[in-house]
Amino acid sequence: DAKTTQPPSMDCAEGRAANLPCNHSTISGNEYVYWYRQIHSQGPQYIIHGLKNNETNEMASLIITEDRKSSTLILPHATLRDTAVYYCIVRGYNNNDMRFGAGTRLTVKP
Amino acid sequence: ETGVTQTPRHLVMGMTNKKSLKCEQHLGHNAMYWYKQSAKKPLELMFVYNFKEQTENNSVPSRFSPECPNSSHLFLHLHTLQPEDSALYLCASSQDGARTGGETQYFGPGTRLLVL
Repeated sequence: DAKTTQPPSMDCAEGRAANLPCNHSTISGNEYVYWYRQIHSQGPQYIIHGLKNNETNEMASLIITEDRKSSTLILPHATLRDTAVYYCIVRGYNNNDMRFGAGTRLTVKP
Repeated sequence: ETGVTQTPRHLVMGMTNKKSLKCEQHLGHNAMYWYKQSAKKPLELMFVYNFKEQTENNSVPSRFSPECPNSSHLFLHLHTLQPEDSALYLCASSQDGARTGGETQYFGPGTRLLVL
């Protein structure tokens, strides 16, 4: 599976949009981009995933570049409860293993 | 609430004890997983069950013994563990194992295990 690169930490003001980047320059055509988050000592929470097109759900939006080498997770109106570690995962076809890297620690500040 | 529950949430055990972790999913899924998350390390996939059959075992020591009696329940039996086995043990489920690609896994809250 392709490797992902994320900034180790980011801050965001409460009520503003949080834009979390992820680079996956070696992604192959059948690999999906997944985003999860983990609040301290809890299980990872699924946020969103996509293959080629941009995706939106009640939690977030996922923007994937046309060449698929990078993506951005957007939390449109961050709240204090969005403070967590956010993981970008590229997962290959027929692969059960969710390879969580170090992620980005997002801190939402009042 | 993800539809995946785990008990107990916290467990302290000695190296000679035998204990079991339980996972239950209420999502109608057919695949279940055990992961280990040690401090400051990424998640490590341990076992995969698909339709009650074990399909993956990622070189896990035999002191960890999984059991999947049906598609909704998954157990991890523990015996003669070592202090380095202390970690957060996470259960996940998905509709099916990775056959068609893009199967989303939903995680439980985890069991925090401390081995003394």
